[in-house]
Amino acid sequence: GAGVSQSPSNKVTEKGKDVELRCDPISGHTALYWYRQSLGQGLEFLIYFQGNSAPDKSGLPSDRFSAERTGGSVSTLTIQRTQQEDSAVYLCASSFAAQSETQYFGPGTRLLVL
Amino acid sequence: DAKTTQPPSMDCAEGRAANLPCNHSTISGNEYVYWYRQIHSQGPQYIIHGLKNNETNEMASLIITEDRKSSTLILPHATLRDTAVYYCIVRPGGSGGSNYKLTFGKGTLLTVNP
Repeated sequence: GAGVSQSPSNKVTEKGKDVELRCDPISGHTALYWYRQSLGQGLEFLIYFQGNSAPDKSGLPSDRFSAERTGGSVSTLTIQRTQQEDSAVYLCASSFAAQSETQYFGPGTRLLVL
Repeated sequence: DAKTTQPPSMDCAEGRAANLPCNHSTISGNEYVYWYRQIHSQGPQYIIHGLKNNETNEMASLIITEDRKSSTLILPHATLRDTAVYYCIVRPGGSGGSNYKLTFGKGTLLTVNP
């Protein structure tokens, strides 16, 4: 079946511009996660959505970052006034239901802020 | 979460079995062992997970020692496409807490040679 999809696959933007990254989770998965992976670095948790519960936004690095999930499916991660340090691979994952379920990752969006 | 220790790199000949070790000596009774891999420029790919018993799926086998302090991921017939960084992580089962926040260590770079 179809896996997690993300778009765009690559994004180059200028410092100060806003960007939107999209994630389509696996159909039927109620939990959705955003992570960031900087060059040579490990996985950094950003935000977690589970059904209709309030999202866990504790990993968002600043108020320039926000995310929403519409209709319990597609999610959009928005970065306002991008900075060069925002350059990274942004990964989305989804899981079937509970927190302990296996997470399946998308291919990521490679963001480069010039 | 319990920490894991993996060798930084390993080589394997194409067609041979690749055995990737992982130490998790401080693992708790309710923590699962998960393996992911990340092929260059791709998102992490789930491979397999287990609690106590050995597990096998279409990708790999997972052997967990009786004391659960270590495990081995086995790729029975490695191919060039299996060249990737392999991550061993432990995470609690069940709901509650923030066990959904995955963290990867440095992993093992497996290079499959022709």
